[in-house]
Amino acid sequence: QSALTQPASVSGSPGQSITISCTGTSSDVGGSNYVSWYQQHPGKAPKLLIYDVSNRPSGVSDRFSGSKSDNTASLTISGLQADDEADYYCCSYTSSSALVFGTGTELTVL
Amino acid sequence: EVQLVESGGGLVQPGRSLRLSCAASGFNFEDYGMHWVRQAPGKGLEWVSGISWKSGNIGYADSVKGRFTISRDNAKNSVYLQMNSLRVEDTALYYCAKGQRFALWSAAGDWGQGTLVTVSS
Repeated sequence: QSALTQPASVSGSPGQSITISCTGTSSDVGGSNYVSWYQQHPGKAPKLLIYDVSNRPSGVSDRFSGSKSDNTASLTISGLQADDEADYYCCSYTSSSALVFGTGTELTVL
Repeated sequence: EVQLVESGGGLVQPGRSLRLSCAASGFNFEDYGMHWVRQAPGKGLEWVSGISWKSGNIGYADSVKGRFTISRDNAKNSVYLQMNSLRVEDTALYYCAKGQRFALWSAAGDWGQGTLVTVSS
């Protein structure tokens, strides 16, 4: 159960779009439709943004979107806003009947 | 409104045990799988364990397998994490999280505020 690989940090200006990648293996991301994404502001509990690769829970802005290709999942945030500045984590179901999180990405809005 | 309230954290010596509890309300508890996720100070999220709605499907992270046991009591709307043989590296904020309805492994949709476990001599 090795952590999924995410870039340590990404940045963008207000109004721009950014994409965060999440790379795993065929035993997790590549072999599962249970990929989810979470946003965590400092000192707060994580918030679910995307589930089952590309589905948004009710109440989550459509500026957040998810996709997957082979062993890599991606989270795209369009129309960046100051409040998007946070840590982002991907998560995948694994063939070992477990979940594994990504290493986390710090998003800075310039 | 979904509420998840964790309790049972504290300071414990290495090798000792601790039992965490999570009291749930605001949803039909018996329809949802539940998870424990931890976050060491200044570090990322680490999934610890998950249990399906009728306890028929249970999973553990390799780092806690054989030491931690997850359970639930649907009559009490609660999920528990029994932690034995605690190690310094188990020090973390432990979150209780609600899975998706009838889909344990899909995602964790709602989270509690966490309970802090500190393992130190």
